[in-house]
Amino acid sequence: AQSVTQLDSQVPVFEEAPVELRCNYSSSVSVYLFWYVQYPNQGLQLLLKYLSGSTLVKGINGFEAEFNKSQTSFHLRKPSVHISDTAEYFCAVSVAYSSASKIIFGSGTRLSIRP
Amino acid sequence: NAGVMQNPRHLVRRRGQEARLRCSPMKGHSHVYWYRQLPEEGLKFMVYLQKENIIDESGMPKERFSAEFPKEGPSILRIQQVVRGDSAAYFCASSPPDRGMYEQYFGPGTRLTVT
Repeated sequence: AQSVTQLDSQVPVFEEAPVELRCNYSSSVSVYLFWYVQYPNQGLQLLLKYLSGSTLVKGINGFEAEFNKSQTSFHLRKPSVHISDTAEYFCAVSVAYSSASKIIFGSGTRLSIRP
Repeated sequence: NAGVMQNPRHLVRRRGQEARLRCSPMKGHSHVYWYRQLPEEGLKFMVYLQKENIIDESGMPKERFSAEFPKEGPSILRIQQVVRGDSAAYFCASSPPDRGMYEQYFGPGTRLTVT
């Protein structure tokens, strides 16, 4: 079975500082990988996804993530954060080439930006 | 192209009442997924439906919960005899056929409060 571990439940960062949100996954088969953002009392918005190809994936709002198969990681990074990046971030996986189609989410990382 | 629509956005029910949550997928999407987010947790898969068919209900509680996606109209998630533990945000996602494993679009959610 697949699982996702987000190593940090909360990450406080100063504005304009870089940030890395860590994500590790467990799977015996090929997976697709995602990062979603959830602003307070709102739904989920897709930041970026890895399906295949280049291991460095660029997303919206200046975020990027790197797929590392040997370390089974998919960490999210941004070189300089803004107050508006304050939100909950979810790493997720789904099984590639499967009709199952369910997405499995991590428990989330709350990013708080200090001025 | 309107996104995934969910209503109501907020729903308050007393213990023992029924809750009905509705989800209208994006135009052209025939696959619907329901997820539940308990307070301070990530999203958990509940059920995957196509028109008039339940494909995967492995995440649905065995009792009181049911889901349908009729030929016409929205998908409905029904919770009978609600209890306080049902208080959560319920998210619906939709996808085009055969792309659900990497392309799901989420609605804004219905926040259910059981008093």
